[in-house]
Amino acid sequence: GDSVTQMEGPVTLSEEACLTINCTYTATGYPSLFWYVQYPGEGLQLLLKATKADDKGSNKGFEATYRKETTSFHLEKGSVQVSDSAVYFCALKTNAGKSTFGDGTTLTVKP
Amino acid sequence: DAGVTQSPTHLIKTRGQQVTLRCSPKSGHDTVSWYQQALGQGPQFIFQYYEEEERQRGNFPDRFSGHQFPNYSSELNVNALLLGDSALYLCASSLEGDRGIGTEAFFGQGTRLTVV
Repeated sequence: GDSVTQMEGPVTLSEEACLTINCTYTATGYPSLFWYVQYPGEGLQLLLKATKADDKGSNKGFEATYRKETTSFHLEKGSVQVSDSAVYFCALKTNAGKSTFGDGTTLTVKP
Repeated sequence: DAGVTQSPTHLIKTRGQQVTLRCSPKSGHDTVSWYQQALGQGPQFIFQYYEEEERQRGNFPDRFSGHQFPNYSSELNVNALLLGDSALYLCASSLEGDRGIGTEAFFGQGTRLTVV
């Protein structure tokens, strides 16, 4: 079946450090890929998405590229801020509408 | 726009009982999906409702059932509750009428169910 594997956390970085959170997936067909973020005390919200191979999603300085050859969708940011502290979830959605989430990666950014 | 609203926010039930959770989708959305999120894990897909019918289902037993009403709101029912059903239950709505797989899901804050 479909699956999403995220790098295990928690991840602790200093402000202005570079961030990479790895995400790989297994799915039949050509899913859409998403990163969702959950800030403390808030619900899940979409951070960025990509719907086909080689697409790059971007938002709030975060980027992720849909790599079909490596079945990956790694999340990157060049300079993190304290306000980026949150739990990040990688997810896929198949053509049939079924979604699969990773277990989440907790990011803490220290000033 | 109130976004996705879920009720109740917290619930405590006894093993063997039945529970109903409710979800109102974001205005303009026609599809509701339900997820179970255990502590420290990602959301697990339970099922999706579109046009009042279950369109997709994850690996959950028949004790989990749902319903979608003409106004697109939805209910999740769980029968014969087990201790292991304790989790955060999330509802997400989206606009899926054209089967666009890239559609964004908007999540509610969830219902925290505790089974004792």
